[in-house]
Amino acid sequence: GQSLEQPSEVTAVEGAIVQINCTYQTSGFYGLSWYQQHDGGAPTFLSYNALDGLEETGRFSSFLSRSDSYGYLLLQELQMKDSASYFCAIYTGGFKTIFGAGTRLFVKA
Amino acid sequence: EAGVAQSPRYKIIEKRQSVAFWCNPISGHATLYWYQQILGQGPKLLIQFQNNGVVDDSQLPKDRFSAERLKGVDSTLKIQPAKLEDSAVYLCASSQGQRNDAQYFGPGTRLTVL
Repeated sequence: GQSLEQPSEVTAVEGAIVQINCTYQTSGFYGLSWYQQHDGGAPTFLSYNALDGLEETGRFSSFLSRSDSYGYLLLQELQMKDSASYFCAIYTGGFKTIFGAGTRLFVKA
Repeated sequence: EAGVAQSPRYKIIEKRQSVAFWCNPISGHATLYWYQQILGQGPKLLIQFQNNGVVDDSQLPKDRFSAERLKGVDSTLKIQPAKLEDSAVYLCASSQGQRNDAQYFGPGTRLTVL
């Protein structure tokens, strides 16, 4: 079957660095995406990894290891506005997108 | 560039009634997705269109849900008849190609079934 696992909650302090992990199980894998969703809002695209390695976009970085079926989202210089839910999503064979259950990030002052 | 448009934003209906949601994707985006998001969960893909053809509808409850994308542009998702468990946010997204890498979401329609 296909599944994704990510922590349900993470708490960090403003200005710190936080890593949100995502492990997946699927047959036929093309890539891993990350989305941010604030309460009452729609998911917004953050990053996509198709190949192993680190992708950096400003304060956010995303990593993928295909051999380990694992990825993470790294948020640096945390700000209060980063408090939101973060979803990993895999793009599998058959052009299917599967989202994880989400990680709720709380940023404290 | 205009984003993904959806309407209505909110809808309250009684169970067994029917409801329809409308989505207009970003101009030029070939792929359109409908997701169902229940509170506290991740979005669940219901159906995916590539232009006006269905790519995947394996998780669409076809006995009550239907969707169409006429002329490969805007799309309508219908529920008939609605059940209590259909209460959720229905999200429409679009992407430029079929690789599903960067999907852009509309604001969603919050459906409450009483």
